[in-house]
Amino acid sequence: DAGITQSPRHKVTETGTPVTLRCHQTENHRYMYWYRQDPGHGLRLIHYSYGVKDTDKGEVSDGYSVSRSKTEDFLLTLESATSSQTSVYFCATGEILGGEQYFGPGTRLTVT
Amino acid sequence: GDSVTQMEGPVTLSEEAFLTINCTYTATGYPSLFWYVQYPGEGLQLLLKATKADDKGSNKGFEATYRKETTSFHLEKGSVQVSDSAVYFCALSIYNQGGKLIFGQGTELSVKP
Repeated sequence: DAGITQSPRHKVTETGTPVTLRCHQTENHRYMYWYRQDPGHGLRLIHYSYGVKDTDKGEVSDGYSVSRSKTEDFLLTLESATSSQTSVYFCATGEILGGEQYFGPGTRLTVT
Repeated sequence: GDSVTQMEGPVTLSEEAFLTINCTYTATGYPSLFWYVQYPGEGLQLLLKATKADDKGSNKGFEATYRKETTSFHLEKGSVQVSDSAVYFCALSIYNQGGKLIFGQGTELSVKP
């Protein structure tokens, strides 16, 4: 267990509002990732970070932005939430590029 | 592109039955392969991994062998328990794309007493 926490764990928000999800790790892992989980799709990568202030897009990045100002924190922001962003969001960390990743408990986001 | 395909679920077995969950992959390079397990309401936990061809990953009675010739990484367990009921995900990692994981769609396993 990589000591990963996510906040909030559950959130309901309205269409058009901004939302920020937080991921915090205590293991000093260099790599951090945001995935979303939807039925029938497994998990899909939204954005990832390979160091402080170094981030890049994943396969489903439209409508999302990220920031990493400290090694331990990785924020995911939905600038203007839409119903298609209703999902479960998982943060993950990795110590080695291409190695195993360790997952947080997830945030269930509902956009009404 | 790179992808992972798993057998569809749900899979329902009786306790002590033999389990196989099929996983095949497509990758342009030489990925590492993983099985993750997700219990209800929880995040994903690494179950086992293999980093090169013919490697066998094993943990908690589960096994999977990295078969490059058949591009497969099937999960097996000789005798399942009720506590093994969960969703299982096969995944591969792409080194040159930030080390991201590409997941299969998941296979739900239900074990009945």
